[in-house]
Amino acid sequence: ETGVTQSPTHLIKTRGQQVTLRCSSQSGHNTVSWYQQALGQGPQFIFQYYREEENGRGNFPPRFSGLQFPNYSSELNVNALELDDSALYLCASSLVPTGHSSYEQYFGPGTRLTVT
Amino acid sequence: KNQVEQSPQSLIILEGKNCTLQCNYTVSPFSNLRWYKQDTGRGPVSLTIMTFSENTKSNGRYTATLDADTKQSSLHITASQLSDSASYICVVSYNNNDMRFGAGTRLTVKP
Repeated sequence: ETGVTQSPTHLIKTRGQQVTLRCSSQSGHNTVSWYQQALGQGPQFIFQYYREEENGRGNFPPRFSGLQFPNYSSELNVNALELDDSALYLCASSLVPTGHSSYEQYFGPGTRLTVT
Repeated sequence: KNQVEQSPQSLIILEGKNCTLQCNYTVSPFSNLRWYKQDTGRGPVSLTIMTFSENTKSNGRYTATLDADTKQSSLHITASQLSDSASYICVVSYNNNDMRFGAGTRLTVKP
């Protein structure tokens, strides 16, 4: 196990609703990244938080928002859910931002979101 | 456009055989390239990380190669085991903090 935990494991929501997903990073890690993975596809980068500030964002609309707390745990919020938001949402933590380093990034088990 | 393409999309091999998965990328400026193994319904697990100056890295039966000139990488799996059945994802970091994931290769190892 990586030490990165996510909750809930599974979630079913209705189109138009809002959802909050949670991630606890590995001890000592100050960087959390969130990804959306549709069935049969690779993960798509949503955004990254480094020391409570957003540190990069992928091509996702503003209804995808996030937060990182002083203990470096993080939340992903999605407003006005659409059917296409159904996916596995992964969070990953690392010691430093991963793009310019070779530090490991550790993934959680993911939250499976189904929008009906 | 920054892209990461993996091939084949899926692969079936017999237990004990070797296989090689490919990753081609167009991202720039390159920072590093990672290979991950992802079991169904689980988060990806890192296998190797390579920077620009590294052209090969091993992790047990997994050996990754990188040719930064041609922007190609491969992951070679030796003496496959049933537990190697998973998706293998190539991830390229660029522009200091951007990452682009490939769609993955789905490997099935049969007895």
